[in-house]
Parts: sequence; C-alpha cells; structure tokens
Amino acid sequence: QVQLKETGPGLVQPTQTLSITCTVSGFSLTSYYMQWVRQTPGKGLEWMGFIRSGGSTEYNSEFKSRLSISRDTSKNQVFLKMNSLKTEDTGVYYCARAYWFDYWGQGVMVTVSS
Amino acid sequence: DIVMTQGALPNPVPSGESVSITCRSSKSLLYSDGKTYLNWYLQRPGQSPQLLIYWMSTRASGVSDRFSGSGSGTDFTLKISGVEAEDVGVYYCQQGLEFPFTFGSGTKLEIK
Repeated sequence: QVQLKETGPGLVQPTQTLSITCTVSGFSLTSYYMQWVRQTPGKGLEWMGFIRSGGSTEYNSEFKSRLSISRDTSKNQVFLKMNSLKTEDTGVYYCARAYWFDYWGQGVMVTVSS
Repeated sequence: DIVMTQGALPNPVPSGESVSITCRSSKSLLYSDGKTYLNWYLQRPGQSPQLLIYWMSTRASGVSDRFSGSGSGTDFTLKISGVEAEDVGVYYCQQGLEFPFTFGSGTKLEIK
C-alpha cells in the first residue's frame, strides 16, 4: 500500500539549514509529483513546492531563495532542504503525493530555536 | 496569490444533521480543460490532512458518499450529509490552479 514517512531533526538553530527526507513505498517517484507542505501556527497550511515525476521542480516564491527539493529514485526518497531558518519556520512539515495531494505522510515537527 | 476564504460552522452540530462548508476563491478556478482546480481536505485531531474531494466534485478513493462537493468558478461548498463522530476536525479548501497553491484557513467541525 501507499506509504510516506518524513524524517528529520526535531530542533534546528536559527540561521541553520533544515534537511528532511520523505521515504515512500507502494508507488514509483517517476510516476507521481511529490509535494512539500508545512503547517505553522502563524500561517496555517502553506504549499512549499514540488518535484515532478520527470524531476523538474516548482517552488513557492515565498521560499524560493532558500528552498531546494530533490530526490533519489533508487532509494524512493524525496528531500527538502531549506536554509537560513528563522523561528517563524517552526511547524510540521509534510510530504504528499500527486498534484492533488492524495496521500500524506505523518509529518515531522520542526522547532527552530537556540 | 489566490486567496481562499472559508466560512465558519455553528458548532457544535448535532449528530446526524447535514452541514455545508463554504469556500470562496479570489479568482476563478475553472481552467480551460473544463476542470475546476479546487480540493477539499479533512484534518482530524492529531492527524495529517486527508484528501476528500478533488476537481471540485470528485470524491477521492475510499471517501464516504456522505461527502459531496459543488460550486461555481469562485464559490464552493462541501456538504456532509448526516455528520458522524468521525467527521470531527478541520476542513480545508485548496486551489491547484496557479502557483503558489494556496489553502483556506480552515473550518472546524464539532459534533454534539
């Protein structure tokens, strides 16, 4: 069955880089878009960006200058990297499948604090 | 950016009653392919969002037929026919027409 699971650090210091991995099973990354969405107390659900089945990416301009999405199809993994973290980046980060977000991971809570 | 505005519910709602959740977009979500790029999600307490409806009115796989979506290009409704305890949570609409994709602020459903 389709499964997605995010893994990442629970705590990141301000100005540092966040790295989250989404490991999927039950489908191929070469057949589906993979999305990243975060949920913060300040802004609710925010779309961050996606990587297409062909490997190209699209980003929310809100994050574009500091966000990178990539993947390793051989490992069934999608990666989110965001630099220059601020306290406002504290929240839950989700990966989701497909253009219409049909499956979501459990999310990973990230706290940005010194 | 397209702004998504959701209405509130008169919580708590009696079990078995039908409710309609509204969502309005600042721009028509009807695309030239004839599809309206509006999705609905439910986030139960402590869980991730789950897809209920896509393309405004198409139920996602495994979703109860108590859930139905309708609307025009800018005004949308999610109807729940006969609310049950498992329907408790926050409902979100989301537009998939333009980047950046945007979500509404959510509508909370509580059941009496």
